[in-house]
Amino acid sequence: EAQVTQNPRYLITVTGKKLTVTCSQNMNHEYMSWYRQDPGLGLRQIYYSMNVEVTDKGDVPEGYKVSRKEKRNFPLILESPSPNQTSLYFCASSPSQPGGLIAKNIQYFGAGTRLSVL
Amino acid sequence: AQSVTQLDSHVSVSEGTPVLLRCNYSSSYSPSLFWYVQHPNKGLQLLLKYTSAATLVKGINGFEAEFKKSETSFHLTKPSAHMSDAAEYFCVVTRVKTGGSYIPTFGRGTSLIVHP
Repeated sequence: EAQVTQNPRYLITVTGKKLTVTCSQNMNHEYMSWYRQDPGLGLRQIYYSMNVEVTDKGDVPEGYKVSRKEKRNFPLILESPSPNQTSLYFCASSPSQPGGLIAKNIQYFGAGTRLSVL
Repeated sequence: AQSVTQLDSHVSVSEGTPVLLRCNYSSSYSPSLFWYVQHPNKGLQLLLKYTSAATLVKGINGFEAEFKKSETSFHLTKPSAHMSDAAEYFCVVTRVKTGGSYIPTFGRGTSLIVHP
């Protein structure tokens, strides 16, 4: 089954304790992205990756890191989490088309990771 | 620059009546427009997308949206609401940056409530 898998689904941690949220897709998609969802704000892009070893900042990258060492995996790293990073996080992936028309493709979303930083 | 405004944070309808969820956008480029649905405790799922083909776009579950360039709108409609349509709906505009990267902008969401 084609899917985007995030782990863990729920995480409670304390300020400053490094954590990683994993994301894996089995569709051989080039493009992957992380979002956070906060009440009344919709989804905001944190980081995205065009392909292996190619990453770039989205709208709200502060306090986050990502890596793309393999095509299928795109982990989100919080080196020193703070309470303002309490949120619902989504990973998504998209295939690319000839000419890089990624914007015309749909995104496939994971089920989300609810993070609480105390 | 681009932006998306979903004009209603909540829409309440009775089962069997029409649904209208409003979305206005602004973009300096020819936009690609999407509607996504999010059911409780689930990820987002694509309903439909507009990518400069037909201006009336049909999606899944009986939803459709009409792209109106003159009004910069992309409203989502359904003739008859079903209880299972109760969810959060997001309008999204995207553009491709120089180099091919992809910048989506999400609206703040509209919560659709369906009464029996």
